[in-house]
Amino acid sequence: GAVVSQHPSRVICKSGTSVKIECRSLDFQATTMFWYRQFPKKSLMLMATSNEGSKATYEQGVEKDKFLINHASLTLSTLTVTSAHPEDSSFYICSGLVGTDTQYFGPGTRLTVL
Amino acid sequence: EDQVTQSPEALRLQEGESSSLNCSYTVSGLRGLFWYRQDPGKGPEFLFTLYSAGEEKEKERLKATLTKKESFLHITAPKPEDSATYLCAPARNTPLVFGKGTRLSVIA
Repeated sequence: GAVVSQHPSRVICKSGTSVKIECRSLDFQATTMFWYRQFPKKSLMLMATSNEGSKATYEQGVEKDKFLINHASLTLSTLTVTSAHPEDSSFYICSGLVGTDTQYFGPGTRLTVL
Repeated sequence: EDQVTQSPEALRLQEGESSSLNCSYTVSGLRGLFWYRQDPGKGPEFLFTLYSAGEEKEKERLKATLTKKESFLHITAPKPEDSATYLCAPARNTPLVFGKGTRLSVIA
């Protein structure tokens, strides 16, 4: 299967600071990438769809000014959590689309905001 | 509104004790039904995609089947390493709608 990496795997930051998470497709080109958030013992919730070279499409209820997504190349998408607060603490997971249907997921990034 | 329900929420099996996980859905214009495995603290791992009713796919001890309203993930003679959360996601278009998953524990 296709391989997706994320960096960092975990990050702790102070309230009010910004955090950037990188998502890379290692062995395929991902025109489309997705960002999800997962709270403990809950399922994955789609935050946004990211297309290379264009603006991301955000799901209802997701603040686009708070969760900045950049997809500048076919192998890299970044999620920046701006002015993070404790309620933003979560597990953030990205995926890359292979073909028309199948998403391959990264290992996730655990964000803790103090 | 697209809905997906997975049952049971949790399942505890003895090693070698076969069972099935259920994923029922209401999605109009289904394009595919995806199964993923997720280990604690990790991203989901792709298992199967099913596209049409009657389709079956197998991988080691796992077999996924699909009807018009539900999908089953059959686990034959499970081993402790099969312990994980199994997620299904029916898709009408590219963004997936995940169920809450079934937490499977296989006890040696």
